[in-house]
This record gives sequence, structure tokens and C-alpha cells, in this order.
Amino acid sequence: EADIYQTPRYLVIGTGKKITLECSQTMGHDKMYWYQQDPGMELHLIHYSYGVNSTEKGDLSSESTVSRIRTEHFPLTLESARPSHTSQYLCASKPGGTDTQYFGPGTRLTVL
Amino acid sequence: GDSVTQMEGPVTLSEEAFLTINCTYTATGYPSLFWYVQYPGEGLQLLLKATKADDKGSNKGFEATYRKETTSFHLEKGSVQVSDSAVYFCALSDLYRDDKIIFGKGTRLHILP
Repeated sequence: EADIYQTPRYLVIGTGKKITLECSQTMGHDKMYWYQQDPGMELHLIHYSYGVNSTEKGDLSSESTVSRIRTEHFPLTLESARPSHTSQYLCASKPGGTDTQYFGPGTRLTVL
Repeated sequence: GDSVTQMEGPVTLSEEAFLTINCTYTATGYPSLFWYVQYPGEGLQLLLKATKADDKGSNKGFEATYRKETTSFHLEKGSVQVSDSAVYFCALSDLYRDDKIIFGKGTRLHILP
């Protein structure tokens, strides 16, 4: 079972602030993912990475950016938060050559 | 493209009732099929999976069978508990195509004591 961590778990912030959501996994998984989950529960893939220095945009356009400088770390940054960014953000990872993703507990972001 | 359709919720049942959550899929390849569960305030957890036609995945009393002829992967449990209250996501992934997971929209399940 994978250990994958997200911090903070909850964040309330004002419009215009820069924020970084942290995601770390300790299992050495190559592939990592960020999902945005709307209040209706639906999951949208916004970013993914196949390894160090690899980042790709997902199926849902997002104003956020990501980086993958280390295998275990995949932070997501919003340069200027807006109320439309209010959502739950879920990070996931999986080893190469397998089909099961492992999810972190999520960060619930509220932008006022 | 590939897609997953699952029954809309919320589904409300009494404890010890029989549960079925329907899921159908569209895929051009040979995907693996999954059920993930999300308990309140948490991320998703893999509940069960099946990797080829006629496989049955099972865990914690839940089971689902990969039916290629009906393109379905319905989730069932014979006797639900209050602790089963959660959101359930059906999903597919094709390792040999784009290697992403495609999720259904989720079904919220409420179990009444």
C-alpha cells in the first residue's frame, strides 16, 4: 500500500494570494497526478507527471502549475487564487507498469 | 473516447439491505475496471478491480464482475452496513493506451441504521 501525503488538509485564503499545495509519496512511484473534485463529486484530471522533469496538462484546463524536481514530490501552485479555485484537490501516484492509482487524503481549498 | 457511466445518486438504503450500483463503460481497447470508494473527508481508496473479461473483483463483502458482453461492472453487496456510507466511483484504465484513469461521476450511498 502506498503512503501519499498532502498538506495542508484545509486552507482558507483571500483572493490574489499565491498558494502551493504539497503532495509527497514515499513509495518511489514514477507517475503522479492532480485531480480537482467539484462539489458534485466529479473528478477532473488537471496535471500529471511520468517522472522527474516531466509535467503534462490534464483534461481540464487549470490556471495552476506543477513541478516535478524530485520523484517523491509533486507540488501544485496557484499564482493568484480566485473564488473559482475553491475546490477539493486530490493527489495520486502509481508505479510504472501497473494500473492502480493511490490517492492522498486531499486538500480542501476555499478562496474568499 | 473511452467513458464510464454509473447510476446517479444518492442511493439510500436501510442497514442489511442488498446493494447494487450500476456501471457501464465504453472502451476501444481492453481496459482494467475498478471501483474506488471515498469516505467523508478522505481521498479515494481502491475497493476492488478486475483486469479481464469474466474476472470478479471482491473486497470487504463487495463484488463486481467484468462483463464484456454487456460492457458492465456493477457493484454489489449482500448486506450493507452504516459504515458503507460513502461515495463510490467506477473507473477504467487502459495501461497500453494513454494510461490514465477515467472515472464515472460517483454515486453517493447513504445507509440508514
